[in-house]
Amino acid sequence: NAGVTQTPKFQVLKTGQSMTLQCAQDMNHEYMSWYRQDPGMGLRLIHYSVGAGITDQGEVPNGYNVSRSTTEDFPLRLLSAAPSQTSVYFCASSSANRFYYEQYFGPGTRLTVT
Amino acid sequence: AQSVTQLDSHVSVSEGTPVLLRCNYSSSYSPSLFWYVQHPNKGLQLLLKYTSAATLVKGINGFEAEFKKSETSFHLTKPSAHMSDAAEYFCVVSGGGGADGLTFGKGTHLIIQP
Repeated sequence: NAGVTQTPKFQVLKTGQSMTLQCAQDMNHEYMSWYRQDPGMGLRLIHYSVGAGITDQGEVPNGYNVSRSTTEDFPLRLLSAAPSQTSVYFCASSSANRFYYEQYFGPGTRLTVT
Repeated sequence: AQSVTQLDSHVSVSEGTPVLLRCNYSSSYSPSLFWYVQHPNKGLQLLLKYTSAATLVKGINGFEAEFKKSETSFHLTKPSAHMSDAAEYFCVVSGGGGADGLTFGKGTHLIIQP
């Protein structure tokens, strides 16, 4: 199993550009989520999904869109990049009962917006 | 409501001495509790979890944690620190609260002095 994969590993964008961060998992997990990690802020939840076709907002959803057309994939779209979106982004997945089972994290995407 | 507080943002210990990373939580439910570790430029990895079985939980790499309901604490310990333990550690509480029912602490940076 590859686990949770994320692409790209690094990305530099100019303000106003859009892009999609890719996330895929091969563990047949129902639950997937996106976090951003900033110094001193810990991990903050952006969006999450409890299954194909179902998504919901997390703590910091503004400026980001998600969709979940398959169980395996959960892309994160930046609509119009801003310097405040410079961060490290992590995708995670878990079995349906995420309250009792661990989350598996991808290696992260380091995004810089200039 | 649900919250988690990691009481120290940084902890510095000498190699071979004990490690104590403190985590207090509040929850209206009977929570599950997790500790994750993040090595530099890596994703998060599960160290251990408590899900209402034994209150003393053993994890990977010699770490353990004790769930104390009366003190609402879930402190992480290791008898003897190793240089490879230098990392960021996150306490997570689940079962209610937060947008998706999971609440992350802001992290404790563990520094190991030679």
